[in-house]
Amino acid sequence: EPEVTQTPSHQVTQMGQEVILRCVPISNHLYFYWYRQILGQKVEFLVSFYNNEISEKSEIFDDQFSVERPDGSNFTLKIRSTKLEDSAMYFCASSRGGRGNTIYFGEGSWLTVV
Amino acid sequence: GIQVEQSPPDLILQEGANSTLRCNFSDSVNNLQWFHQNPWGQLINLFYIPSGTKQNGRLSATTVATERYSLLYISSSQTTDSGVYFCAVGKRRDDKIIFGKGTRLHILP
Repeated sequence: EPEVTQTPSHQVTQMGQEVILRCVPISNHLYFYWYRQILGQKVEFLVSFYNNEISEKSEIFDDQFSVERPDGSNFTLKIRSTKLEDSAMYFCASSRGGRGNTIYFGEGSWLTVV
Repeated sequence: GIQVEQSPPDLILQEGANSTLRCNFSDSVNNLQWFHQNPWGQLINLFYIPSGTKQNGRLSATTVATERYSLLYISSSQTTDSGVYFCAVGKRRDDKIIFGKGTRLHILP
């Protein structure tokens, strides 16, 4: 069964450093998402991406964050100047269509900022 | 934005027991998904069920869209069912889904 893959599975970074989290969505999917989950809390929406542009973003997704689809298969989340409170599990997800379609999640990238 | 409330927040059961988890939402939806988050943090798709009833082995789910709630049933619980169960919904005009806070289920041997 096709799946969303994410790398790295775990990254530790110094406060103030830039981090890039990578995702390979399911191959025939057109809609891509990033979510995050702070330890012990609920899963929060960050951003959705379609047709090579951001279609929606949450209040969390400020100028510190950016997304990119650099080629036909990868989808990346860049976090600039990381802060301690950016420590969380980051999930990439994809769906074949938009509204009303099943969204499939990757296994997550656990980011620890020290 | 849409509100998603899950109950109960925590549930402790003996192995073999049955359980019902509830998800209430505040607006019309065209996407509702149930997930199981295992101890390693992975989000496992259980059901895509914006309306109607589905069954998969010991798990089944029912969504009554007109009354804005969904139920997840787990029968004959096993210790491997432990973890957090999330309901997530998508409004009619949205591509994204919004998660509830989850129900943490502990199955005791």
